Amino acid sequence: GEQVEQLPSILRVQEGSSASINCSYEDSASNYFPWYKQEPGENPKLIIDIRSNMERKQIQELIVLLDKKAKRFSLHITDTQPGDSAMYFCAASDNRIFFGDGTQLVVKP
Amino acid sequence: ETAVFQTPNYHVTQVGNEVSFNCKQTLGHDTMYWYKQDSKKLLKIMFSYNNKQLIVNETVPRRFSPQSSDKAHLNLRIKSVEPEDSAVYLCASSFRGNTEVFFGKGTRLTVV
Repeated sequence: GEQVEQLPSILRVQEGSSASINCSYEDSASNYFPWYKQEPGENPKLIIDIRSNMERKQIQELIVLLDKKAKRFSLHITDTQPGDSAMYFCAASDNRIFFGDGTQLVVKP
Repeated sequence: ETAVFQTPNYHVTQVGNEVSFNCKQTLGHDTMYWYKQDSKKLLKIMFSYNNKQLIVNETVPRRFSPQSSDKAHLNLRIKSVEPEDSAVYLCASSFRGNTEVFFGKGTRLTVV
């Protein structure tokens, strides 16, 4: 099946700075790339997604970029806040969804 | 708002016992999943079930088995639990495989 690599595993940033999480995939048939946020004690929830017909999508402070040629996609959080501290998972899907291993984001006040 | 319901929330059991976790989704989705999330927070797919087609992650031990009565329910049975089965088990559902996946709150299993 698809393999999704996610880096870094832990990311510590200062409040107000930006945070970037990078993912890569192997299967060129993958056409859907969601991002999930999991807060402590909660279940993962979708925060933003992008399909293969787009290269960039922004929802408020969240930006996702997709480079189909390089098979890479990334999440950028601008102006991070302590409430952004959580686990973030990327995923890739062509009809079966595969998750990355997650990134623990810590936003320091 | 929860639309994927899991029971129980927590379960503590002894090595060698059998356990069963329930999952129901009210979203009308056609695909359901079971994930295992360990202490390192890795999300590992165990099973996906779609239109009576079961896809099994080949790394899942045979003591685990999914049970489905209809497309809204996918239960998880573990025969003879082992200490390494201690984890949070997340049920999820989606409409086909390339749309948003909705997760339940999880069942935390502790094997003593």
